[in-house]
Amino acid sequence: QKEVEQDPGPLSVPEGAIVSLNCTYSNSAFQYFMWYRQYSRKGPELLMYTYSSGNKEDGRFTAQVDKSSKYISLFIRDSQPSDSATYLCAMNNNAGKSTFGDGTTLTVKP
Amino acid sequence: DVKVTQSSRYLVKRTGEKVFLECVQDMDHENMFWYRQDPGLGLRLIYFSYDVKMKEKGDIPEGYSVSREKKERFSLILESASTNQTSMYLCASSFFDQRGTQYFGPGTRLLVL
Repeated sequence: QKEVEQDPGPLSVPEGAIVSLNCTYSNSAFQYFMWYRQYSRKGPELLMYTYSSGNKEDGRFTAQVDKSSKYISLFIRDSQPSDSATYLCAMNNNAGKSTFGDGTTLTVKP
Repeated sequence: DVKVTQSSRYLVKRTGEKVFLECVQDMDHENMFWYRQDPGLGLRLIYFSYDVKMKEKGDIPEGYSVSREKKERFSLILESASTNQTSMYLCASSFFDQRGTQYFGPGTRLLVL
């Protein structure tokens, strides 16, 4: 079983929808949680970073961590066609080596 | 601005050739990583380095080697390329702290014929 499981998608939503992207994990030592966005034929870019349980908001994006359930989510409000990309969750315990989910591909239709 | 560059965006090589992929970062990061990304398999760690001349195997090191002679540069070497090494190769770097947020290069698409 993988340490990090990500909802596989793909996900297709109309413009303006609220999007929920989710990952679960099994390693309770993970303390740091990241979301990366990867456009087609590009490298991933860091989107959100969180440390503790709770919510972190950045514009239309909210990252949520529930350590008790070993569950993290990324919410996108008022989704735009430019949000169409693959979203990767990632987690760290120490020393900077991350464990990545396999990614969820999102398409936002105008 | 944060910058990770990779030597080539696209490469076509023949089976058995020795292939060098270079990665350079300008952020003074201690950690550097090489991944390959394949459809349905996600990002898989090949090797990483946390200091000059230091390296550690990742999840799929077979058929690859790495070199880190300078802090800013991390090279991936395919000793004898095979068709199953056709993939997207991504380099990343990060500071040596627990957060480990990584900065990725644009990737190299390698086709081995």
